[in-house]
Amino acid sequence: AQKITQTQPGMFVQEKEAVTLDCTYDTSDQSYGLFWYKQPSSGEMIFLIYQGSYDEQNATEGRYSLNFQKARKSANLVISASQLGDSAMYFCAMRANSPNSGYSTLTFGKGTMLLVSP
Amino acid sequence: KAGVTQTPRYLIKTRGQQVTLSCSPISGHRSVSWYQQTPGQGLQFLFEYFSETQRNKGNFPGRFSGRQFSNSRSEMNVSTLELGDSALYLCASSLTAGVRGKNIQYFGAGTRLSVL
Repeated sequence: AQKITQTQPGMFVQEKEAVTLDCTYDTSDQSYGLFWYKQPSSGEMIFLIYQGSYDEQNATEGRYSLNFQKARKSANLVISASQLGDSAMYFCAMRANSPNSGYSTLTFGKGTMLLVSP
Repeated sequence: KAGVTQTPRYLIKTRGQQVTLSCSPISGHRSVSWYQQTPGQGLQFLFEYFSETQRNKGNFPGRFSGRQFSNSRSEMNVSTLELGDSALYLCASSLTAGVRGKNIQYFGAGTRLSVL
């Protein structure tokens, strides 16, 4: 079964510091995609970064980078130079083929609440 | 380029009623997915449509249904509402429905449904 595990319910970081949000995944598929989304209190899910299972280099998007360790099945999000506006819920997600239907689904973790303090 | 638009943003219904939520995807996107988000269960996949066909369905009762129109706009319907249906319903669109490639789902702001 496909599963995403985020073990940190909440994280605190000071402004301008870097923070790592953990994510481990489980799938029997060889081809899959890993995503991170940010959800502020307004509710909208904002796409941050993507990593394909066959991508050899770690993905980076501005202040966001994804530490992809395929053998360990982990896809941690690193936010450098945290800002007050980074305070939000962060979700790790995986898109892989569903063993039942053969079609792909996007499976989410439970999320990590990040609070950035001045 | 306009993002994913969901209407209405807020809804209050009573038990037993039915509700229809609407989602307009990003122009050019042919796949629309729906998710239910609750504090207890987190984000759960409802269904995915591609080119007017339901490609995949999550583990929800038959009271939850959806459809997609030829312009890729999608609606979901919940009949005989229960208190437990209170949730944030999120719609997401993507270019395709497959797993290969950078097939990113972009989300709307959601519809917050309260069932009294």
